[in-house]
Amino acid sequence: EPEVTQTPSHQVTQMGQEVILRCVPISNHLYFYWYRQILGQKVEFLVSFYNNEISEKSEIFDDQFSVERPDGSNFTLKIRSTKLEDSAMYFCASGVNTGELFFGEGSRLTVL
Amino acid sequence: RKEVEQDPGPFNVPEGATVAFNCTYSNSASQSFFWYRQDCRKEPKLLMSVYSSGNEDGRFTAQLNRASQYISLLIRDSKLSDSATYLCVVNQGAASGSRLTFGEGTQLTVNP
Repeated sequence: EPEVTQTPSHQVTQMGQEVILRCVPISNHLYFYWYRQILGQKVEFLVSFYNNEISEKSEIFDDQFSVERPDGSNFTLKIRSTKLEDSAMYFCASGVNTGELFFGEGSRLTVL
Repeated sequence: RKEVEQDPGPFNVPEGATVAFNCTYSNSASQSFFWYRQDCRKEPKLLMSVYSSGNEDGRFTAQLNRASQYISLLIRDSKLSDSATYLCVVNQGAASGSRLTFGEGTQLTVNP
C-alpha cells in the first residue's frame, strides 16, 4: 500500500539552527500539507501546497518557514532559525482531494 | 468560539458498548467534514468522511447537521482496538488546497 514517508523520524537541534524536514508524498497525489502537533495539543495546520505553489498558510507559518517541492517526489519544510517553541511533531500529508488526507508517521523536532 | 469543538473525554466504555461523539464547528461556510482517528503518538488516519445524508461504514455511523453546525460519530459494538483519540475535522473552504481544521480530539478507551 502506498504511503507518505518522512525523514528524519527525530531531529534534535540547537536554538537558532536551520532544520529541513523531508517528505515523499504518495505519487499520484496533488495536494500536499504540513501540520504540526505540540505534545498533548491538537493537530495544527501550517501550509498547503497545490499546483507548485502555496495554496494557504496559517499564522504559524511565518517568515522563518518555507516549503519546496524541488523535484517530482520530495516536499520539504524548512525552518530557518529554530525556536524552543518549534519543538513538535511535524506531519506531512498528501491527498487526491482536499479532505481525505494520508499522513506520514511524522518527524519529531526537539529544539534545545 | 473554537473553530472545531469536541468533548475531550475521556470516554471509558466496556467492550460491546455503543458510544457517541459530538462535534460542533463555527464556520457556517465549511464545506466538508471528516472523522480521523489518532493512536497514541501516531499520525492521524482517516476514519470516514461525513455526508449530509449521513453515512455508515460497518460499526461506524457519521451524521452531519448543517443547520446546527454539528457532526456526530457513533460506534457500535466497541472493540478493544477502537481505543484511540477521535478527531473531528472540518474543511474550511472550497478552494483547492484549503486547510483542514482539527478538533482537539475525544479520547476513547474500550475496556475488556
